Amino acid sequence: GIQVEQSPPDLILQEGANSTLRCNFSDSVNNLQWFHQNPWGQLINLFYIPSGTKQNGRLSATTVATERYSLLYISSSQTTDSGVYFCAVDSNYQLIWGAGTKLIIKP
Amino acid sequence: DADVTQTPRNRITKTGKRIMLECSQTKGHDRMYWYRQDPGLGLRLIYYSFDVKDINKGEISDGYSVSRQAQAKFSLSLESAIPNQTALYFCATHSGLSYNEQFFGPGTRLTVL
Repeated sequence: GIQVEQSPPDLILQEGANSTLRCNFSDSVNNLQWFHQNPWGQLINLFYIPSGTKQNGRLSATTVATERYSLLYISSSQTTDSGVYFCAVDSNYQLIWGAGTKLIIKP
Repeated sequence: DADVTQTPRNRITKTGKRIMLECSQTKGHDRMYWYRQDPGLGLRLIYYSFDVKDINKGEISDGYSVSRQAQAKFSLSLESAIPNQTALYFCATHSGLSYNEQFFGPGTRLTVL
């Protein structure tokens, strides 16, 4: 089945820093989503981005479907950005998830 | 976006007990899903339903059953709970614009002693 790998697994930054999170997938996909899981466990939709680039405030994402990767950019990090960031790809009607990148933003 | 609610939010039970987790969505979307998350990992699919009469097993369906009582309701049951079913359980449905974009409920934290 399709494999999803995220890097780095952990990232610790000071408030105000920028970061890039990567998601690689092993086969072509119909859909790719980025989620933020906050410290209380809630999953928040960030982007639905099967291809191209999208931006939402300090966050942006780019998916290059032909090269099977997606990038999530976080600029001017805030402590509320802390949590785990997941990418998930659609394969045969189900989402296949990466293991996530755990982001800690220090004040 | 679809509003997805889950009850209970937290549950502690004992080995061998039957337990039901409930999920409702406000938009009446066709497809609903149950996922499980273990610590430090992404989510894995337990069951999914494309309609009231269309229910399918996911990657890890053993030990679980589901019921789609209505378009808006999708319940997950553990017939005889065991400790390794301790996990965070999420229900999901899709957006109004695309079957491929999923939105999740707040999760149920289940502990089996």
